Amino acid sequence: GAGVSQSPRYKVTKRGQDVALRCDPISGHVSLYWYRQALGQGPEFLTYFNYEAQQDKSGLPNDRFSAERPEGSISTLTIQRTEQRDSAMYRCASSLEGGGSDTQYFGPGTRLTVL
Amino acid sequence: GENVEQHPSTLSVQEGDSAVIKCTYSDSASNYFPWYKQELGKGPQLIIDIRSNVGEKKDQRIAVTLNKTAKHFSLHITETQPEDSAVYFCASLGQAGTALIFGKGTTLSVSS
Repeated sequence: GAGVSQSPRYKVTKRGQDVALRCDPISGHVSLYWYRQALGQGPEFLTYFNYEAQQDKSGLPNDRFSAERPEGSISTLTIQRTEQRDSAMYRCASSLEGGGSDTQYFGPGTRLTVL
Repeated sequence: GENVEQHPSTLSVQEGDSAVIKCTYSDSASNYFPWYKQELGKGPQLIIDIRSNVGEKKDQRIAVTLNKTAKHFSLHITETQPEDSAVYFCASLGQAGTALIFGKGTTLSVSS
């Protein structure tokens, strides 16, 4: 079956612009996670949804970052007024059950470059 | 804060040899430890995981061991093959029970 999909796969933007990154989880998966992965590093947690409820946003670096999952399926991560330091791979993951100890399936990521 | 240390950062072995990657974690309350394999241009893929009620788990050529007292866990790959070449990440489940805390990764190269 289809895995986690993300769009766009690549995004180049100018400093100060807003960007929206989309995640389409595996159908029926309750939990959705956003991570950020810098080059040569492991993924770093940003936020977690259980259905449509954002239950953990402790990893969002500042208030320019926000995420939503209004119908409990597709999620959007929005970065306002982008800065060069926001350049990274943004990865989405989903799991069938709630909580983090269920297998998390990762998408291919969106490579964001802020010029 | 919660932290996972992973060693070595790079590992080169000959085909058929064994490879061992080690991780330590800081949060004694962690109870779930997955290992992910990431190939070039792809997202991390779970290869094996272990929970704190067991000390060892094996799946064909891959095994993971856990020492809760020392807060160590390790990945063992036997009879390595060139297709095992990838970046491997260890992780532990953070205190909130939702976020995985990842190590920095180990680049494994298997030469034939």
